[in-house]
Amino acid sequence: EAQVTQNPRYLITVTGKKLTVTCSQNMNHEYMSWYRQDPGLGLRQIYYSMNVEVTDKGDVPEGYKVSRKEKRNFPLILESPSPNQTSLYFCASRGQGLIGTQYFGPGTRLTVL
Amino acid sequence: AQSVSQHNHHVILSEAASLELGCNYSYGGTVNLFWYVQYPGQHLQLLLKYFSGDPLVKGIKGFEAEFIKSKFSFNLRKPSVQWSDTAEYFCAVNAGNFNKFYFGSGTKLNVKP
Repeated sequence: EAQVTQNPRYLITVTGKKLTVTCSQNMNHEYMSWYRQDPGLGLRQIYYSMNVEVTDKGDVPEGYKVSRKEKRNFPLILESPSPNQTSLYFCASRGQGLIGTQYFGPGTRLTVL
Repeated sequence: AQSVSQHNHHVILSEAASLELGCNYSYGGTVNLFWYVQYPGQHLQLLLKYFSGDPLVKGIKGFEAEFIKSKFSFNLRKPSVQWSDTAEYFCAVNAGNFNKFYFGSGTKLNVKP
């Protein structure tokens, strides 16, 4: 089954404790992206990757890092999480070049205390 | 930065009523336009998309949207809603750099049985 998976699905952590949210897709998509969803703000793009070793900033990249060492994986790294990063995070992948459809993962609900 | 406006934040309808959700965007060049739906507790799913051609786009579950370039709008419509359409709906734009996506703040639709 074609899908985007994220782990963990739920995470409660404390300020400053480094964490990684993994994202994996099995559709051989070149493009992958991370979003955060906050009430009243919709989804905002954090980072995206056009291919292996090619990443770029979205609208809200501060406090986040990403890497793309393999085509299928695109982890999101919070090196020093803060409470304002408490949010619902979605990973997505897109195939078929610039007109492809984005497929979203199930989301990771992160709480930073 | 581009912006996407969804004017209706919360809509309540009875079953069989007609639905129209507004979406306006701020980019003047070529755009790709999307409507996504998020059912409670689930990830985003694509309802429909517009890239070019016929400005009236039909999607899944009886939804359609009309692209009006002169009004920078991409409104979502459904002639007769069902209780199962209760969800949050997001308009999204892909513009300029087609690797960046901009989402509206979402519209929560409650359909009363």
